[in-house]
This record gives sequence, C-alpha cells and structure tokens, in this order.
Amino acid sequence: DTEVTQTPKHLVMGMTNKKSLKCEQHMGHRAMYWYKQKAKKPPELMFVYSYEKLSINESVPSRFSPECPNSSLLNLHLHALQPEDSALYLCASSQWTGGDREQYFGPGTRLTVT
Amino acid sequence: GIQVEQSPPDLILQEGANSTLRCNFSDSVNNLQWFHQNPWGQLINLFYIPSGTKQNGRLSATTVATERYSLLYISSSQTTDSGVYFCAVDNRGSTLGRLYFGRGTQLTVWP
Repeated sequence: DTEVTQTPKHLVMGMTNKKSLKCEQHMGHRAMYWYKQKAKKPPELMFVYSYEKLSINESVPSRFSPECPNSSLLNLHLHALQPEDSALYLCASSQWTGGDREQYFGPGTRLTVT
Repeated sequence: GIQVEQSPPDLILQEGANSTLRCNFSDSVNNLQWFHQNPWGQLINLFYIPSGTKQNGRLSATTVATERYSLLYISSSQTTDSGVYFCAVDNRGSTLGRLYFGRGTQLTVWP
C-alpha cells in the first residue's frame, strides 16, 4: 500500500481562526514533508521531518506550525493566516533509508483564507 | 539549489498521438521522479528513475544521468492523460530528499 491520506480535503478559514491539517501514512516511512502549491505553480517545500524530528524549515512564517506526534502522523497547525496563504497543501512521505528516496504524495488540502 | 527545466510548457494533442516531455537538471541527482497532477490536485507517481529506462503500459521514461536529462514518453494519448506533468529531483549530497520541481508541462488531449 503506497497511500498517504490527508484531511480535510477542503478548508475555508477566517484570518483569526485556528485550524489544523492532518496527514497520515502507514508505509513505515521515516521522512515526512509538507509542500505548498499555488495555482499554476509547482509545489514548494515547507518542512521536513525525519524520525519525528523537524529537520528542515524553509523559512516558513510562524503562523504555520508543524507537528509530528508519531512516525505515522504529521500535522500542520494554522493560526492568523493571510489571504495569500490560500493554496493546496500537500503532504508526502518517503522511506529515505536503504537508498529508496521515492516520495509519495497525499491528495492535498485545498485551503482558502477569507 | 538545483535548477530543473521542463519542456514544452504546454502541449495539445489529439487522442491517439504520441508525445515526448523533457526534463533538464543542472546538477547530479540521487532521485528523479515524474508525476502526473490530475485536475483535483493529486500528484500521481509515474516513475522513480534516477537513471536508466522504465516502462509502464503506454508510458515510458529514460534518464541519462551523465547528461542531466530525462524524457517521458506517452504513446497513444487518451483524454485521461490530460493534466500537468512534473519532473522533480533531489540533488546528490542533499539531506532528506528535498525535491526540486520543474514548472511542469500542461498536457491537453482532445477526443
């Protein structure tokens, strides 16, 4: 099974709301990623977790707060977002060890900030 | 970071036609993946191909790592092939496999 799941599929939130995006994988992968994709652009890396530790933060504003509660779960907590943060948020995972670097993506959460 | 260039940016085909998409990259890579992004945003893995040639049904891919390019071949196009095709790489020596994406090729297949 090469499935990464993400919830919710769609999210509309106001600029004062707090919400969370959730990502789950059961492939035993030890690296998990958040990407952001704006319309008609390629995905851009936001965060990387390796063995449940934050390893890369691509200078993402603090209104985005990632969390990795265990090896299968990845959350992205959202607070005080701006309309320009509206985008498709994609989660991915990879085995990383043993030379296998293939990344698998979830279906994404389409976020609209009003 | 590594530069990834895809061509052509747009491609319009009639059903049944064949096509070749190209991906050039600026440095040695450990990973090269081809994805198809469907209209709902899902990135579907087509090939994991840091080098060599692979085939899967009507699709095949070749990566010539020494010359820093990869090609994706689509034969007998179908309307369901429409969408954006991305090439993504992570360069040799990078930690944790961060992927750099090209800008994609928008493919439209007409019946």
